[in-house]
Amino acid sequence: IAGITQAPTSQILAAGRRMTLRCTQDMRHNAMYWYRQDLGLGLRLIHYSNTAGTTGKGEVPDGYSVSRANTDDFPLTLASAVPSQTSVYFCASSDSAGGAEAFFGQGTRLTVV
Amino acid sequence: GQNIDQPTEMTATEGAIVQINCTYQTSGFNGLFWYQQHAGEAPTFLSYNVLDGLEEKGRFSSFLSRSKGYSYLLLKELQMKDSASYLCAVMDSNYQLIWGAGTKLIIKP
Repeated sequence: IAGITQAPTSQILAAGRRMTLRCTQDMRHNAMYWYRQDLGLGLRLIHYSNTAGTTGKGEVPDGYSVSRANTDDFPLTLASAVPSQTSVYFCASSDSAGGAEAFFGQGTRLTVV
Repeated sequence: GQNIDQPTEMTATEGAIVQINCTYQTSGFNGLFWYQQHAGEAPTFLSYNVLDGLEEKGRFSSFLSRSKGYSYLLLKELQMKDSASYLCAVMDSNYQLIWGAGTKLIIKP
């Protein structure tokens, strides 16, 4: 079934540890996004990529990095996790950067202790 | 700054009609999206408006007024499965989505 897959589904992580959240899509979408969702707040964009080989910073990029080596994969790395990064992380993709609906992965629930 | 406002929570009765409002102030406008998100799940696309007026899709309709910075999502013949959060998002001049915090809709029998 075509779609977008995230791994892991959930994770408890010690503060200071490095962690990579994985995201893969098989829809050949050009644009991909990483959001975090916190209670009472809207989805906030961390990083995005409009096409393979390019990335950009979103609203809350500090403490996170991404890469886009190919069309399908868009991993998100926390270099040294802090408790404020406890959140639900969603990866999404869309056919183009503008005007197209975004498809979301099932989310990764990350707890930093 | 950019801002999307929608009510935090609404309650409605099964079989009834409910209207969820969204007002926005953004740097530019390239369309407004509505998404549905059930608890513990990913958001799923409901509608997209870029021109003024009403877009109807089955039991769901979405309205846009660009001059007023206003949209609403209308849900008819409410069913228990419609209990979810409804997210309003605006695409700004940089083609980035700005999201509201979502409206939690509670459906009572």
